[in-house]
Amino acid sequence: SQQGEEDPQALSIQEGENATMNCSYKTSINNLQWYRQNSGRGLVHLILIRSNEREKHSGRLRVTLDTSKKSSSLLITASRAADTASYFCATDAPGAQKLVFGQGTRLTINP
Amino acid sequence: SQTIHQWPATLVQPVGSPLSLECTVEGTSNPNLYWYRQAAGRGLQLLFYSVGIGQISSEVPQNLSASRPQDRQFILSSKKLLLSDSGFYLCAWNHHGAGTGELFFGEGSRLTVL
Repeated sequence: SQQGEEDPQALSIQEGENATMNCSYKTSINNLQWYRQNSGRGLVHLILIRSNEREKHSGRLRVTLDTSKKSSSLLITASRAADTASYFCATDAPGAQKLVFGQGTRLTINP
Repeated sequence: SQTIHQWPATLVQPVGSPLSLECTVEGTSNPNLYWYRQAAGRGLQLLFYSVGIGQISSEVPQNLSASRPQDRQFILSSKKLLLSDSGFYLCAWNHHGAGTGELFFGEGSRLTVL
């Protein structure tokens, strides 16, 4: 069963604007990760946030985690056309050696 | 540095034919290995994972199987393909003991079953 669910399913914004994607999950986690996938390619890891962390930054990326609400958000600031991709959150299933991915958010940046 | 290779990149197979997708990792030892499938425009479904040679965990009952004949080789197979097996298959690895740490993905194998 799916652990993480992203919202919205699709997002289209103008270049330079900020993009926010959300992820909700159902059970307790050790960490939550965000990945990016360009069309027809493999996924690339963006950022990992541990359950005892509330916010993390990496370049133009900002991730927050609210374990009480079982949710996370990914913010991309000052978006660029090259940010056009699908973005997935992934959570670890408790006690298991695996990551479970959500359905993803398709982000389109219009020049 | 570590690299992951998947092949073939694309294949078209008739219903009922066999399948073999291969994945190899270089530059590391005893990695955890994973096979995911992605339907068009959808998320990733975990099919199999392996924490060591000969150790395979299956997540979804289906007509697919996985094997790990060598430390850094992971093979996805089927004896008879179904139409529903079409999709984008992704192999991934992470460091042994990392459990649910960062995953490194291959470029994928796109399978079309006709």
